[in-house]
Formats: sequence, C-alpha cells, structure tokens
Amino acid sequence: GAVVSQHPSWVICKSGTSVKIECRSLDFQATTMFWYRQFPKQSLMLMATSNEGSKATYEQGVEKDKFLINHASLTLSTLTVTSAHPEDSSFYICSARDGVGGNQPQHFGDGTRLSIL
Amino acid sequence: RKEVEQDPGPFNVPEGATVAFNCTYSNSASQSFFWYRQDCRKEPKLLMSVYSSGNEDGRFTAQLNRASQYISLLIRDSKLSDSATYLCAVNIDSGGYQKVTFGTGTKLQVIP
Repeated sequence: GAVVSQHPSWVICKSGTSVKIECRSLDFQATTMFWYRQFPKQSLMLMATSNEGSKATYEQGVEKDKFLINHASLTLSTLTVTSAHPEDSSFYICSARDGVGGNQPQHFGDGTRLSIL
Repeated sequence: RKEVEQDPGPFNVPEGATVAFNCTYSNSASQSFFWYRQDCRKEPKLLMSVYSSGNEDGRFTAQLNRASQYISLLIRDSKLSDSATYLCAVNIDSGGYQKVTFGTGTKLQVIP
C-alpha cells in the first residue's frame, strides 16, 4: 500500500528557531500533498495544500510567511515553521493521495510532534 | 453548521458488543467518504472508503446515506484493540479544488 514518510518524528527546540519537516511519498508520486496540524484532543486542521512545482494553497487564517511550504519534486514536500514560538507547539501531519483525483483516500505520514520551549 | 460533524463520545462498550458511529456532512456535493482510525498520539490510518452501495471489511461495515447526508461505521464483535478514535473524512469541492475535511472523531473504548 501507499507509504508516506515524515521526518523528524519529534522536535524540541528553543523559541525563535525555524524547524523544517519533510514529507515523502515512498512508493508513489504525489502531485499534491497536504499539511495538517492537530492540537491535543482536537480534530485535524488542514493548514495548506502543497502543489508540486507551484505555490501552496493556504487555508484561511494560516500565515504563509510563517509556514513555508516547498514541493520541489513529486515525492517530497517540506514545511518550515519559521521563528517558532510556544503556541506553534503541536502535532504536524502530512498526507498524500496515491492517484489522481479527489476520490482517492489520503495516506498519512507518522507525524511530527513539535515542542517549542 | 460544521462541514463534518461527529459525536465525540466516548463510547464505552464491552468486548463482543456491536457499536455504530454516525457522521453527518453539510455539503450535498461531497463526492467521496472515508473512515480513519487514530490511536492516541499517532497519525490517522485509513480504515476503509465508503461506497454508495455500502461496503464491508471483516467486522467493519460502512454505509452512505446521501439523502440524509450521513455516513456510518458499524463494528461487530468489538475487540480491545478496536479502542481508538474514529475519524470520518469527506471530500469536498472547495472553490474548484478538492479538499478533505475531517470530523473531530469519535472515541471508542472497548472494555474487558
């Protein structure tokens, strides 16, 4: 089945640090990947849709200059949390669809637990 | 009204019981539907897609009711290992591009 790898799985760093998270589709090509954030006991919230070779589409209320997304290849998307602060601490998860079109399910990476001190 | 709504639970059921979850969606143009399972502090894992005719995978049965705009998940003969949060996901056409919206999840606790 489709496999999505996310790295790192856990980050603890000081306030003001920028953190890069990688999301890779291991056995398929993904023209579109998705970045979610999940706070404790809350639902997955879509942050942005990452499009290979073009700009990401951000959801309302998500700062594009704060959360930089790069999707330079068909198998890799990166999310950089710039100048992270404690309120950015959360569980960040990427996903990708194996196949074209919206009717295919999304497969998730393992997630990155980000803790900003 | 939220795009996708679920009863957060928790549903506490004994081993062997049958339990059902519903999920309602607001956009009648929604095209595809899924159930995911999420264990504590883990990523969601696809449980099953939901087809118009209904579909079954072992102890799990998913159904779609387009007229009433809800999907359901039935778990028979509950196992302790079924304890998790179950998320429904609905694919919605948002301004010309497809996006999947998740419900808040329903927590299931299967008790020995």
